[in-house]
Amino acid sequence: AQSVTQLGSHVSVSEGALVLLRCNYSSSVPPYLFWYVQYPNQGLQLLLKYTSAATLVKGINGFEAEFKKSETSFHLTKPSAHMSDAAEYFCAVSEINFGNEKLTFGTGTRLTIIP
Amino acid sequence: DTGVSQDPRHKITKRGQNVTFRCDPISEHNRLYWYRQTLGQGPEFLTYFQNEAQLEKSRLLSDRFSAERPKGSFSTLEIQRTEQGDSAMYLCASNPGQGTDTQYFGPGTRLTVL
Repeated sequence: AQSVTQLGSHVSVSEGALVLLRCNYSSSVPPYLFWYVQYPNQGLQLLLKYTSAATLVKGINGFEAEFKKSETSFHLTKPSAHMSDAAEYFCAVSEINFGNEKLTFGTGTRLTIIP
Repeated sequence: DTGVSQDPRHKITKRGQNVTFRCDPISEHNRLYWYRQTLGQGPEFLTYFQNEAQLEKSRLLSDRFSAERPKGSFSTLEIQRTEQGDSAMYLCASNPGQGTDTQYFGPGTRLTVL
């Protein structure tokens, strides 16, 4: 069974500082991995995804993530935080390449930006 | 392309009432998914459709829940005899079909059961 663990339900960083949101996954097959962002009272927007190509993935709004198989991790980073980055972030795993359609999400990390 | 739309955006109901939500996927997207998100949690998979066929249902989808996609376009999710534990955000997502990995999410329907 696939699963995702997000370490840190709340993360606060100063504006301009590095953002690091942690995600570890478990999957019985090579996974596809995703980061989604959710603003208050809105649905989920895809930030980036890993689908077995390049291990360093660049997404929208300056975010990137690196797939590390040896560490079963897919941490999300951004060099310089903006106030507009304040939101909830979800890491998700899929085994769609092996016929498992559903996304399995972590419990989310709420990012707060300190002015 | 317009995105995935859901209606209503908010629903308040009394315990024991039935509610129905609608999801309109992105045009020509064959696959449609339903998820439930409770406060402080990530979305949890409920069910998905390939065109009009319901291909998988989570054990979270109790007998009080039913989902349909009769013409392979929009979908409805009905909850009968609502309970307070049903209070959640119900999210719909779609994608073009087999071999496509990204799911595109709608804004959700927030259900409050009093």
